[in-house]
Amino acid sequence: SQQGEEDPQALSIQEGENATMNCSYKTSINNLQWYRQNSGRGLVHLILIRSNEREKHSGRLRVTLDTSKKSSSLLITASRAADTASYFCATDAKRGGADGLTFGKGTHLIIQP
Amino acid sequence: EPEVTQTPSHQVTQMGQEVILRCVPISNHLYFYWYRQILGQKVEFLVSFYNNEISEKSEIFDDQFSVERPDGSNFTLKIRSTKLEDSAMYFCAGSGVEGETQYFGPGTRLLVL
Repeated sequence: SQQGEEDPQALSIQEGENATMNCSYKTSINNLQWYRQNSGRGLVHLILIRSNEREKHSGRLRVTLDTSKKSSSLLITASRAADTASYFCATDAKRGGADGLTFGKGTHLIIQP
Repeated sequence: EPEVTQTPSHQVTQMGQEVILRCVPISNHLYFYWYRQILGQKVEFLVSFYNNEISEKSEIFDDQFSVERPDGSNFTLKIRSTKLEDSAMYFCAGSGVEGETQYFGPGTRLLVL
């Protein structure tokens, strides 16, 4: 898989259920960030996890990072209809300087009421 | 809460024309970025900018592209001679510290006819 690849590509669940999305990457990273994008709109930053962290929480979001497997997961608990969006992971590789982020193709999440 | 702003929100231009996309980053940010997202595809890094010079650029950022920070607030992306394949959403982003969270603007949707 390519840098910052998410799976599944699409996920449809019932409101109230938990949603889990995964991301894999190839190179060494400084950090990994998750973003949300509503259809045709801008990117909203959700959470950043550093390479020396294993888990991070923010509200209903839980992110894990396994640098040995070069993978991350985003868990959204107690999903709501408003969580319907595309979710992207983005990696900041260890290149030094103002590194551009490498995005995956995203997971399109649909929350059914 | 401070936000990144971008103008215009939409721009339609003829192939071969020059376009300038404008961004006003968050005032205390020091690192600035441009990304693009072709419809249905992933977000791609174009260029990063720090201390009034380009820090990093991708293969996409060829001689047709240029960036400038003409004053203390604006950050611009110029495409000298637009091509059909330049049609995309263009996002500006900024961060306060190298390797930290990048905050994105709402994007400019560019359509080249």
